[in-house]
Amino acid sequence: GDSVTQMEGPVTLSEEAFLTINCTYTATGYPSLFWYVQYPGEGLQLLLKATKADDKGSNKGFEATYRKETTSFHLEKGSVQVSDSAVYFCALSVFDYKLSFGAGTTVTVRA
Amino acid sequence: DVKVTQSSRYLVKRTGEKVFLECVQDMDHENMFWYRQDPGLGLRLIYFSYDVKMKEKGDIPEGYSVSREKKERFSLILESASTNQTSMYLCASSLLDLTSTDTQYFGPGTRLTVL
Repeated sequence: GDSVTQMEGPVTLSEEAFLTINCTYTATGYPSLFWYVQYPGEGLQLLLKATKADDKGSNKGFEATYRKETTSFHLEKGSVQVSDSAVYFCALSVFDYKLSFGAGTTVTVRA
Repeated sequence: DVKVTQSSRYLVKRTGEKVFLECVQDMDHENMFWYRQDPGLGLRLIYFSYDVKMKEKGDIPEGYSVSREKKERFSLILESASTNQTSMYLCASSLLDLTSTDTQYFGPGTRLTVL
Protein backbone atom coordinates (compact mmCIF):
# COMPACT_ATOMS: atom_id res chain seq x y z
CA GLY A 1 0.00 0.00 0.00
CA ASP A 2 0.89 3.66 -0.09
CA SER A 3 3.14 4.78 2.73
CA VAL A 4 5.53 7.46 3.89
CA THR A 5 8.69 7.08 5.94
CA GLN A 6 10.26 10.12 7.54
CA MET A 7 13.29 10.51 9.73
CA GLU A 8 12.75 9.98 13.38
CA GLY A 9 13.20 12.78 15.81
CA PRO A 10 13.43 14.57 17.93
CA VAL A 11 15.69 17.05 16.20
CA THR A 12 17.23 19.87 18.24
CA LEU A 13 18.97 22.77 16.52
CA SER A 14 20.34 26.19 17.30
CA GLU A 15 18.88 29.28 15.67
CA GLU A 16 20.20 29.95 12.16
CA ALA A 17 21.19 26.30 11.68
CA PHE A 18 20.31 24.35 8.54
CA LEU A 19 17.39 21.93 8.83
CA THR A 20 16.78 18.82 6.75
CA ILE A 21 14.02 16.30 7.41
CA ASN A 22 14.14 13.26 5.18
CA CYS A 23 10.99 11.77 3.69
CA THR A 24 10.68 8.82 1.31
CA TYR A 25 7.54 7.28 -0.05
CA THR A 26 6.09 4.13 -1.56
CA ALA A 27 3.09 4.53 -3.82
CA THR A 28 1.25 2.93 -6.68
CA GLY A 29 0.61 5.52 -9.32
CA TYR A 30 1.78 9.11 -9.15
CA PRO A 31 1.21 10.68 -5.77
CA SER A 32 0.97 14.27 -4.70
CA LEU A 33 3.33 15.02 -1.82
CA PHE A 34 2.81 17.33 1.13
CA TRP A 35 4.50 18.70 4.20
CA TYR A 36 2.23 19.67 7.06
CA VAL A 37 3.33 21.45 10.24
CA GLN A 38 1.78 21.32 13.70
CA TYR A 39 2.75 24.13 16.06
CA PRO A 40 2.35 23.51 19.80
CA GLY A 41 -1.31 23.32 20.82
CA GLU A 42 -2.63 23.67 17.28
CA GLY A 43 -3.96 21.51 14.48
CA LEU A 44 -2.00 20.71 11.34
CA GLN A 45 -1.58 23.25 8.58
CA LEU A 46 -0.24 22.80 5.09
CA LEU A 47 3.35 24.01 4.74
CA LEU A 48 3.97 23.13 1.09
CA LYS A 49 3.09 20.64 -1.58
CA ALA A 50 4.19 19.28 -4.97
CA THR A 51 2.00 17.46 -7.42
CA LYS A 52 4.41 16.05 -10.00
CA ALA A 53 8.03 14.98 -10.41
CA ASP A 54 10.66 17.73 -10.18
CA ASP A 55 8.16 20.23 -8.75
CA LYS A 56 9.52 22.30 -5.89
CA GLY A 57 7.19 23.40 -3.14
CA SER A 58 8.20 26.36 -1.01
CA ASN A 59 6.76 28.43 1.83
CA LYS A 60 8.09 30.42 4.83
CA GLY A 61 11.68 29.69 3.79
CA PHE A 62 11.09 25.92 3.61
CA GLU A 63 11.59 23.98 0.39
CA ALA A 64 11.06 20.42 -0.81
CA THR A 65 11.59 18.91 -4.26
CA TYR A 66 9.58 15.95 -5.59
CA ARG A 67 12.24 13.40 -6.66
CA LYS A 68 10.67 10.51 -8.49
CA GLU A 69 13.96 8.70 -9.11
CA THR A 70 14.72 8.48 -5.39
CA THR A 71 11.04 8.52 -4.25
CA SER A 72 11.86 11.34 -1.88
CA PHE A 73 10.51 14.70 -0.74
CA HIS A 74 13.02 16.03 1.79
CA LEU A 75 12.19 19.23 3.66
CA GLU A 76 14.91 21.89 4.01
CA LYS A 77 15.33 25.31 5.53
CA GLY A 78 18.54 27.26 5.40
CA SER A 79 18.27 29.22 8.66
CA VAL A 80 15.77 28.14 11.29
CA GLN A 81 14.19 30.32 13.96
CA VAL A 82 12.78 29.52 17.38
CA SER A 83 9.32 29.97 15.86
CA ASP A 84 9.98 26.96 13.58
CA SER A 85 9.78 24.64 16.57
CA ALA A 86 6.96 22.25 15.68
CA VAL A 87 6.11 18.74 14.54
CA TYR A 88 6.53 18.22 10.78
CA PHE A 89 4.58 15.57 8.87
CA CYS A 90 5.27 14.28 5.39
CA ALA A 91 2.20 12.96 3.57
CA LEU A 92 1.10 11.63 0.21
CA SER A 93 -2.10 11.16 -1.71
CA VAL A 94 -2.88 9.29 -4.91
CA PHE A 95 -5.95 11.16 -6.13
CA ASP A 96 -8.43 9.63 -3.76
CA TYR A 97 -8.93 12.49 -1.28
CA LYS A 98 -7.11 10.59 1.44
CA LEU A 99 -3.73 11.44 2.90
CA SER A 100 -1.21 8.91 4.20
CA PHE A 101 1.01 10.49 6.86
CA GLY A 102 4.46 9.74 8.15
CA ALA A 103 5.06 9.41 11.87
CA GLY A 104 6.06 13.04 12.31
CA THR A 105 9.37 14.67 13.28
CA THR A 106 9.57 16.94 16.30
CA VAL A 107 11.90 19.89 15.76
CA THR A 108 13.08 22.12 18.60
CA VAL A 109 15.06 25.26 17.83
CA ARG A 110 17.01 26.81 20.68
CA ALA A 111 17.89 30.49 20.88
CA ASP B 1 -9.85 31.85 5.91
CA VAL B 2 -11.13 28.33 6.30
CA LYS B 3 -12.13 27.56 9.80
CA VAL B 4 -12.55 24.08 11.23
CA THR B 5 -13.73 23.97 14.82
CA GLN B 6 -13.99 21.05 17.20
CA SER B 7 -16.38 21.04 20.12
CA SER B 8 -13.83 20.39 22.88
CA ARG B 9 -10.08 20.77 23.29
CA TYR B 10 -9.92 18.35 26.21
CA LEU B 11 -12.30 15.59 27.19
CA VAL B 12 -12.18 13.00 29.97
CA LYS B 13 -14.55 10.03 29.85
CA ARG B 14 -14.95 6.72 31.60
CA THR B 15 -14.68 3.27 30.05
CA GLY B 16 -17.97 2.22 28.50
CA GLU B 17 -19.34 5.73 28.04
CA LYS B 18 -20.70 6.86 24.69
CA VAL B 19 -18.64 9.76 23.41
CA PHE B 20 -19.48 12.33 20.74
CA LEU B 21 -16.82 14.48 19.08
CA GLU B 22 -18.19 17.26 16.92
CA CYS B 23 -16.55 19.06 14.03
CA VAL B 24 -17.85 22.03 12.06
CA GLN B 25 -16.35 23.70 8.98
CA ASP B 26 -17.46 27.01 7.51
CA MET B 27 -16.17 26.80 3.93
CA ASP B 28 -18.79 24.61 2.27
CA HIS B 29 -16.29 21.76 1.79
CA GLU B 30 -17.61 18.45 0.53
CA ASN B 31 -14.98 16.23 2.16
CA MET B 32 -14.57 15.80 5.88
CA PHE B 33 -12.22 13.50 7.77
CA TRP B 34 -11.55 12.15 11.24
CA TYR B 35 -8.01 11.14 12.23
CA ARG B 36 -6.39 10.05 15.43
CA GLN B 37 -2.86 11.14 16.24
CA ASP B 38 -0.59 9.02 18.41
CA PRO B 39 3.13 9.50 19.12
CA GLY B 40 5.30 7.61 16.68
CA LEU B 41 2.34 6.65 14.51
CA GLY B 42 1.51 9.96 12.85
CA LEU B 43 -2.09 10.48 11.81
CA ARG B 44 -4.31 7.55 10.98
CA LEU B 45 -7.60 7.96 9.15
CA ILE B 46 -10.66 6.68 11.00
CA TYR B 47 -13.51 7.68 8.68
CA PHE B 48 -14.18 10.17 5.96
CA SER B 49 -17.21 11.58 4.21
CA TYR B 50 -17.48 13.08 0.73
CA ASP B 51 -21.12 14.15 0.96
CA VAL B 52 -24.02 14.48 3.36
CA LYS B 53 -25.06 11.08 4.70
CA MET B 54 -22.13 9.43 2.89
CA LYS B 55 -19.26 7.84 4.78
CA GLU B 56 -16.37 5.54 4.11
CA LYS B 57 -14.12 3.62 6.45
CA GLY B 58 -10.56 4.68 6.77
CA ASP B 59 -7.64 2.62 8.02
CA ILE B 60 -8.79 2.14 11.64
CA PRO B 61 -12.60 2.31 11.87
CA GLU B 62 -13.06 -0.36 14.54
CA GLY B 63 -14.78 0.96 17.63
CA TYR B 64 -15.92 4.16 15.91
CA SER B 65 -18.87 5.38 13.89
CA VAL B 66 -19.66 8.71 12.24
CA SER B 67 -22.59 10.87 11.31
CA ARG B 68 -22.96 13.55 8.68
CA GLU B 69 -26.47 14.97 8.63
CA LYS B 70 -25.46 18.42 7.41
CA LYS B 71 -22.69 19.42 5.04
CA GLU B 72 -20.83 21.52 7.58
CA ARG B 73 -20.91 19.07 10.47
CA PHE B 74 -19.19 15.69 10.90
CA SER B 75 -19.46 13.78 14.16
CA LEU B 76 -17.29 10.98 15.47
CA ILE B 77 -18.93 8.56 17.88
CA LEU B 78 -17.30 6.15 20.26
CA GLU B 79 -20.14 3.76 21.10
CA SER B 80 -18.41 2.37 24.19
CA ALA B 81 -15.18 4.13 24.99
CA SER B 82 -12.14 2.06 25.90
CA THR B 83 -8.76 3.04 27.32
CA ASN B 84 -7.02 2.28 24.02
CA GLN B 85 -9.04 5.08 22.45
CA THR B 86 -7.21 7.65 24.54
CA SER B 87 -5.67 9.85 21.86
CA MET B 88 -5.69 13.18 20.05
CA TYR B 89 -8.53 13.36 17.52
CA LEU B 90 -8.23 15.70 14.55
CA CYS B 91 -10.95 16.70 12.14
CA ALA B 92 -10.21 18.02 8.65
CA SER B 93 -12.09 19.21 5.59
CA SER B 94 -11.31 19.78 1.93
CA LEU B 95 -12.93 20.62 -1.35
CA LEU B 96 -14.00 17.81 -3.62
CA ASP B 97 -11.59 17.98 -6.57
CA LEU B 98 -11.75 15.06 -8.96
CA THR B 99 -8.44 15.93 -10.63
CA SER B 100 -6.15 16.14 -7.63
CA THR B 101 -5.98 16.05 -3.88
CA ASP B 102 -6.89 19.40 -2.44
CA THR B 103 -5.46 20.84 0.74
CA GLN B 104 -6.98 19.51 3.92
CA TYR B 105 -7.73 22.08 6.62
CA PHE B 106 -7.47 20.85 10.17
CA GLY B 107 -9.18 21.72 13.40
CA PRO B 108 -7.19 22.25 16.63
CA GLY B 109 -7.85 18.73 17.88
CA THR B 110 -9.58 17.12 20.85
CA ARG B 111 -7.42 15.36 23.38
CA LEU B 112 -9.56 12.52 24.72
CA THR B 113 -8.63 10.60 27.84
CA VAL B 114 -10.58 7.45 28.69
CA LEU B 115 -10.17 6.31 32.28
